[in-house]
Amino acid sequence: SYELTQPPSVSVSPGQTASISCFGDKLGDKAACWYQQKPGQSPLLVIYYDTQRPSGIPERFSGSNSGNTATLTISGTQAMDEADYYCQAWVGSTVVFGGGTKLTVL
Amino acid sequence: QVQLVQSGAEVKKPGASVKVSCKASEYTFTDYYIHWVRQAPGQGLEWMGWINTNSGVTNSALKFYGRVTMTRDTSDSTAYMELGSLRSDDTALYYCARGLIAISAYGLDVWGQGTTVTVSS
Repeated sequence: SYELTQPPSVSVSPGQTASISCFGDKLGDKAACWYQQKPGQSPLLVIYYDTQRPSGIPERFSGSNSGNTATLTISGTQAMDEADYYCQAWVGSTVVFGGGTKLTVL
Repeated sequence: QVQLVQSGAEVKKPGASVKVSCKASEYTFTDYYIHWVRQAPGQGLEWMGWINTNSGVTNSALKFYGRVTMTRDTSDSTAYMELGSLRSDDTALYYCARGLIAISAYGLDVWGQGTTVTVSS
C-alpha cells in the first residue's frame, strides 16, 4: 500500500524558516495537501493543490511538490505555529495521510 | 457559516456497533464528499473512507472493508458512519470532513469537531 513518510519532529527558532518534508513514491505526480492540528482542535487545511493557501492562511505558509517529496515551508515561524502537521494525497480513489510531524518552536 | 456538526460521544462494548452523524450547513451538500478520519489517542490521522453525497457511492480503506458503512440523507444534509464489530483499538476521535467532488486536489477544507468513541467492556 502507498505510504507518505514524514519526520516525527522538527524544531525551529522563532523568526526562522521551518521545512517539513513528506516522502512518497512519485508524490510529485499527485496533489499534496497539508493540515495543521493544534492540541484539542480539529485539523486545519493550510495548503492544497501543492502550493495553494486557503483563505485566511498566513502568507508565511507555502508548499512545493516535486519528484518524490512535498515540502511545507513556514517562513518567519511564530510561536503560534507550534503544532502537528500532516501531509495528505489522493492515491487512486483513496486518501492517504502522512504520519505527522510535531513542529516545536523554541 | 459553513460547518459540519457531529453527534456526541459514545461508549460501546466490544463487538457492538457505533453510528456517528455529521450534519452539514451553509453549503450545497451534494457538491462535496464526506470523508471519515479517525485519530487514536496520541496518534496520527487515519483515513477511513468517503461517501459521494451526490451518488451515494462509497469507498473505504482496505482495513475497514466489511466493517464500516457510510450513508447519507440528502434531505437533511447529514452523513453517517457506522463501524461494526468494535474492538478496544477502535477507541478514537472520529472526524468527518468535506472534500470537493469535482476537484480532489482541493483537500479536506472543513472538518467537524470530532466524536469520541470509547470501546470498553
